[in-house]
This record gives sequence, C-alpha cells and structure tokens, in this order.
Amino acid sequence: TQLLEQSPQFLSIQEGENLTVYCNSSSVFSSLQWYRQEPGEGPVLLVTVVTGGEVKKLKRLTFQFGDARKDSSLHITAAQPGDTGLYLCAVDSYTGKLIFGQGTTLQVKP
Amino acid sequence: NAGVTQTPKFQVLKTGQSMTLQCAQDMNHNSMYWYRQDPGMGLRLIYYSASEGTTDKGEVPNGYNVSRLNKREFSLRLESAAPSQTSVYFCASSEALRVPQHFGDGTRLSIL
Repeated sequence: TQLLEQSPQFLSIQEGENLTVYCNSSSVFSSLQWYRQEPGEGPVLLVTVVTGGEVKKLKRLTFQFGDARKDSSLHITAAQPGDTGLYLCAVDSYTGKLIFGQGTTLQVKP
Repeated sequence: NAGVTQTPKFQVLKTGQSMTLQCAQDMNHNSMYWYRQDPGMGLRLIYYSASEGTTDKGEVPNGYNVSRLNKREFSLRLESAAPSQTSVYFCASSEALRVPQHFGDGTRLSIL
C-alpha cells in the first residue's frame, strides 16, 4: 500500500515570508500532482509532473520533484493572504488510482 | 463558467435513509470521479468512470453505488446511510483517466 505523507500539517506565517511544504511517498510514483483547496470549495489542480528532478514554476510557486520520484516540495516566495488554503499532493503509483496526502493547511496573515 | 456542478450542497440524513448525490460537468470530459474528504485523511476515491458506460470501484466503495447516466452526469447513491458516511463528497472530471482536473464545490453530508 502506497503511503503519502505531507509536512508540516499546519503552517501559519506573515505576509511576505517564504515557505516550503513537503510531500513524501513510500513508493516510486509515475506522476505527482499538487492541488490547492480553499475553504468551502473543491481542490484546484496547480501542477502535474512526471519527470524525476523536474522543477516547475507557477508565478511565486516553485515545485521541485525528487530524482528518485518519491518526494516533492512546494516553495512559495513572498506569501500573500490569497495563498491561504489546504495544499494537497497526490501520486499515481501505477495502480491507476490517485492517492492523496492529508494536506498542509497554510495560513498567511496580512 | 459552470465546470463541475454538484447538488445538493448540504444534506442531513437519518441512519438508514437513502439519497442520491448529483454531479454534472459541461467540459465534455470523458472521466468522472467521486471522492470523500474526511479530516486528516485527504481525499479518498469512492468510484470512478473512465468513460460513458463504464464504472469501477475506487479505494472505499462499500456502501455506495454509482451511475454514469450519460457523458455529462455521474451520480452517487447511498442506499442505507450510516454515520460513518458523514463526510464532504466531491465530484471531479478530467479529459483522460487518473488525474482529476476539475472539482465541484462539494456536498456536505451529515448522517445522524
């Protein structure tokens, strides 16, 4: 059974600070996704990656994927209150079904 | 800009009652999914439909049934609701199988 662990579980920072959250898998995955979910809404897909070592940027968000295809990090530069939400990673472990982590709750205070 | 629409948004049931959660997407996507989200457990796949006319079990299918009515609509039915099914239910869709691209805003279901 694939296990997916996200850390930290909760993060509260001031506007303008930088932060990094992590996603670690117990097994190699074929693809990894990051989603952001705001309260009362469904998750929104931010990025998909399939290549080990890959780095993708989405404005102030930088997604980095481990060479071994078992881990990933999300770095946010100069966080803004609009970045507040639940950040979920999800992996496809060759079973045909996506496995979600439990998420990191980010609070950015103005 | 409808995307994925779920109804109802909120529902309270008594143990043993049945109900159907509705989901419709307007993006002409082939694949649709039903997830449940519980505190501290992320999203868990209940059922999915790779294409019109097909459905398959996900991670936690017990106590649920689904119907892919047509390409747009994918419903989830609870035949005899149990308190353990209290959760937030999300429907999602995607062009290809495996990675849900668009989610609805969820149905918050409480079973007493």
